[in-house]
Amino acid sequence: EVQLVETGGGLVQPGRSLKLSCVASGFTFNNYWMSWTRQAPGKGLEWVASITNSGGSTYYPDSVKGRFTISRDNAQNTLYLQMNSLRSEDTATYYCTRDDGTYYRWFAYWGQGTLVTVSS
Amino acid sequence: EIVLTQSPTTMAASPGEKVTLTCRASSSVSYMHWYQQRSGTSPKLWIYETSKLASGVPNRFSGSGSGTSYSLTINSMETEDAATYYCQQGSSYPWTFGGGTKLELK
Repeated sequence: EVQLVETGGGLVQPGRSLKLSCVASGFTFNNYWMSWTRQAPGKGLEWVASITNSGGSTYYPDSVKGRFTISRDNAQNTLYLQMNSLRSEDTATYYCTRDDGTYYRWFAYWGQGTLVTVSS
Repeated sequence: EIVLTQSPTTMAASPGEKVTLTCRASSSVSYMHWYQQRSGTSPKLWIYETSKLASGVPNRFSGSGSGTSYSLTINSMETEDAATYYCQQGSSYPWTFGGGTKLELK
């Protein structure tokens, strides 16, 4: 059974940093791209970052490019999201996902999410 | 950026009713994927590559479309289908989601 467990959320002041983790199990981690997607309270879904199975390439939307960094440790089956220069608009539940597809991708499995609140 | 517009934003359906949700893309995409999110839970993959049902999805659901117009259809609405449904394109960066359709039970 695929399991994704996110940790690291919490209350953080604007301009500060936070690092999220996602521990994966139930599949061969280093065979899959992984991503982070977020959902602001009461709002829709927004893709935040993706990383290839080797970790050699990463992808971001403009809204977080230069502030967020996705990384992975394939030996520890763990995905990370380093978030710097946080803004109030980054307040959201952050979901870790396992991606499927070859050229056209989708988010096949989702974790339970971890809530990040950016506020002074 | 490809913008996905879902319609309607909210709708209510009676048990047994046929339901169709629509997702329109601002530019052509090769496939559309759909997610179901019940209140207070994480999203779940529901339909991928336009028409393939994810594991465990009842066969009263179907997906279709091409180019800029896609749809998710429920052949006969059931209580457990009340949820918000999101479409998503993974053809062009940045990957984007529609704003969602909230489907309620009438």
